[in-house]
Amino acid sequence: DVKVTQSSRYLVKRTGEKVFLECVQDMDHENMFWYRQDPGLGLRLIYFSYDVKMKEKGDIPEGYSVSREKKERFSLILESASTNQTSMYLCASISSGGDTQYFGPGTRLTVL
Amino acid sequence: SQQGEEDPQALSIQEGENATMNCSYKTSINNLQWYRQNSGRGLVHLILIRSNEREKHSGRLRVTLDTSKKSSSLLITASRAADTASYFCATDSNYQLIWGAGTKLIIKP
Repeated sequence: DVKVTQSSRYLVKRTGEKVFLECVQDMDHENMFWYRQDPGLGLRLIYFSYDVKMKEKGDIPEGYSVSREKKERFSLILESASTNQTSMYLCASISSGGDTQYFGPGTRLTVL
Repeated sequence: SQQGEEDPQALSIQEGENATMNCSYKTSINNLQWYRQNSGRGLVHLILIRSNEREKHSGRLRVTLDTSKKSSSLLITASRAADTASYFCATDSNYQLIWGAGTKLIIKP
């Protein structure tokens, strides 16, 4: 059974803090994604990675960075969290030959 | 960038009725997918329809695709309380998916 896990379901941080969100998949997928989801806006792509140490900006990369040191793990980093980064963050993965993205359960981040 | 647009934004029906949601998109696609998201959770893949297909069934789900109109519909027959969720369409672009804002479906007992 395919599995994508995220390090936290709920997270509360203060403005200016450095925040790490981690995502792990056990399907040996090459491609991994970080989205944020806000009401009325659907899913917006922050960054994606198509291989270890490779990354590409999505539609809204500002204020975020990512790290992919191992194939199974894709980390999203908020260098200095701001209140407008309060959101639901979703991680997903897909194999290079696949059609379907598999999602983690999401992390609801609140920045105070 | 947001390509898919779901319609309606919200839908409330009685249990047992059929629910229809629509999705429109802007550019040519290889496939279109529908996902479900239960409240506060991750997304679960429901069904994929390829650009050369017009209709596809999976259990109580029926998806149609009209590439000339750049639109798709998702029909859930004989709805159940457990179908209460948000439904998203997504179109493909080089392993990335482009998402709509979703339709929130509420099934009333």
